[in-house]
Amino acid sequence: NFMLTQPHSVSGSPGKTITISCTRSSGSIASNYVQWYQKRPGSAPATVIFEDSQRPSGVPDRFSGSIDDSSNSASLTISGLKTEDEGDYFCQSYDAHTQGLVFGGGTKVTVL
Amino acid sequence: EVQLVESGGGLVQPGGSLRLSCTGSGFTFSDFWMSWVRQVPGKGLEWVANIKKDGSETSYIDSVRGRFTISRDNDKKSLFLHMNNLRAEDTGVYYCARDKWTLFLHCGLDVWGQGTTVTVSS
Repeated sequence: NFMLTQPHSVSGSPGKTITISCTRSSGSIASNYVQWYQKRPGSAPATVIFEDSQRPSGVPDRFSGSIDDSSNSASLTISGLKTEDEGDYFCQSYDAHTQGLVFGGGTKVTVL
Repeated sequence: EVQLVESGGGLVQPGGSLRLSCTGSGFTFSDFWMSWVRQVPGKGLEWVANIKKDGSETSYIDSVRGRFTISRDNDKKSLFLHMNNLRAEDTGVYYCARDKWTLFLHCGLDVWGQGTTVTVSS
């Protein structure tokens, strides 16, 4: 079993760039894809990044994802920050040992 | 339109039972693994259980194993979560979601329902 650790909160001004990290506690971050979901109050989660770095149709290219073997972590970068980007962001990967999904604790994004 | 719609949430006393349902439309339901994910008030997302396309394999998070049972009826395009011996910490919004796979790699949850609220309280 492994855990995914995210910062509790990240903030930025409109137009700026922020990056959210997601660190895997054990096993390689590259062993299973990482997804990122945006969650707003009262709404279902929505995928903003899948398969480490792919964007679903309709998600603006201001959102980008990557993984880094050296830090065993994934990152979600939001550039050109907009007020509509506020919400909670969760990383997620798959645990092949338990055959279950693992979510990070979530990061609250605030646009100042 | 690809859609998932949950139902069955409500208020139940500790130790009680509840059955959640989720109906899919706009896609071939039997072609996909399915999951239940919950969000406890003020906290994050937590995967609860999943089930293979034909229902032959299931997995659970440790805290619900032995109390919850995930099942499906592909003819009715429906997913279920039978919850027994409910505890206060099971309170939350429960989402059904469609699992996406590429070859043998899991690619996340690509379709979500709107959620159904479960409240466990006396």
